[in-house]
Formats: sequence, structure tokens, C-alpha cells
Amino acid sequence: DAKTTQPTSMDCAEGRAANLPCNHSTISGNEYVYWYRQIHSQGPQYIIHGLKNNETNEMASLIITEDRKSSTLILPHATLRDTAVYYCIVRVATTQGGSEKLVFGKGTKLTVNP
Amino acid sequence: EPEVTQTPSHQVTQMGQEVILRCVPISNHLYFYWYRQILGQKVEFLVSFYNNEISEKSEIFDDQFSVERPDGSNFTLKIRSTKLEDSAMYFCASRWWQERNTIYFGEGSWLTVV
Repeated sequence: DAKTTQPTSMDCAEGRAANLPCNHSTISGNEYVYWYRQIHSQGPQYIIHGLKNNETNEMASLIITEDRKSSTLILPHATLRDTAVYYCIVRVATTQGGSEKLVFGKGTKLTVNP
Repeated sequence: EPEVTQTPSHQVTQMGQEVILRCVPISNHLYFYWYRQILGQKVEFLVSFYNNEISEKSEIFDDQFSVERPDGSNFTLKIRSTKLEDSAMYFCASRWWQERNTIYFGEGSWLTVV
């Protein structure tokens, strides 16, 4: 099962910042937080990841709390094309050949409104 | 930007028929994955593959499924005798060799079993 908890759905106005929360209270010290999104039924798209420091790239920012038990994905200026399901994933390290699979939960359905 | 490509994008097959889904991972990637998503449900891990062998598989990946890397570039998923419940979107993914490298997904192959 996924090790994260996310709200089922959120709404955001176009042009405003979208802040998507995620709880991962059982995260281990060496586990990263990854964010992916899925637009319609397309393949999951990588957004950003982090360990303990805040991260920013051209798509988004990731804020991780100091205790690492929660994080927030920030889309600074949401557009209609950002409407998607957003998945917060704690990277599961396996003991078998390091396959490092991703375990997807149900994610947050973000709707960006005009 | 390099991407994972999958073919076919959509396939309709009769129950009991064999299906092969094909994927071309990003070149120089060494870990390969198949995931599936039944309509309206979560993205589920099927199998990971490294160094020409399965490194991990889920309970879903039973004897009806097999994977192969026949020619060093393609990565295939074969379903020997399809069932109605195999109808789903199948995603191929790949990553570079180091642990924690980002996993990139293809756009998926939609399989409909009738």
C-alpha cells in the first residue's frame, strides 16, 4: 500500500498558486518524496522529488517539513493544462536487486478553473 | 527530450488470445518496468526487469505474463491467454542504473479484451 495520504480533490483558480499537501508520517530517513501527475489516462509524468531540503524546478516547488512527515507541492501559476491527478509517492527501496518501484496511491484530483 | 515509447497505443483482442505490448525505453536506461491501470483505478506495479532478468514482480504478474528484452532496445510484455479482466492501460517505464534515479513512463498501451 501507498505510504502517503493526500486529499481526494482540490480546486484552484487559473493563474493562482496550487498547493497540494501530502502526509507521509512513516517515512524513513533514506526515503525520498516523489511527485508525479497523470493527465487523463496518459502516462504518469515526473514533476519533482526531494529528501529533506526544499526543491524547485521549472515545473514546481517542493516544500518538505523539517520532521519530513509531510510535504507540499506548489504549482506557482496554475494553468488549465495543470488539471490532473497528482501523486505523492515515497520511494520504496526493495531488497531485491534495487528495483526501486513506485507505489501509487489514489492521488489528488486537481481541477484548475478558468 | 528522450522518452519512453510504446506500441500499440490501443489494441482490441479476443479473450484467450495472446497479446504482446512493446516498449522502447530511454536509451542507456538499465531498469525497466511495467505497470497497469484498470479504468478508474490506481496505477499498479507489475514487474521490474534488470540485467535480463526479473528483479521483482507483483501478485498480479502470474504465469500468464512474461517480459523479455529480445534485442537490446525493445522491452516487451506478453500476456499468453488474455482474460476480460486484463483490459487496462499498460505503462512501460525505465530509469538509469543508479538507485533513486527518476523513473520515466511511456504514454501507455490501452488493451481491450472482448
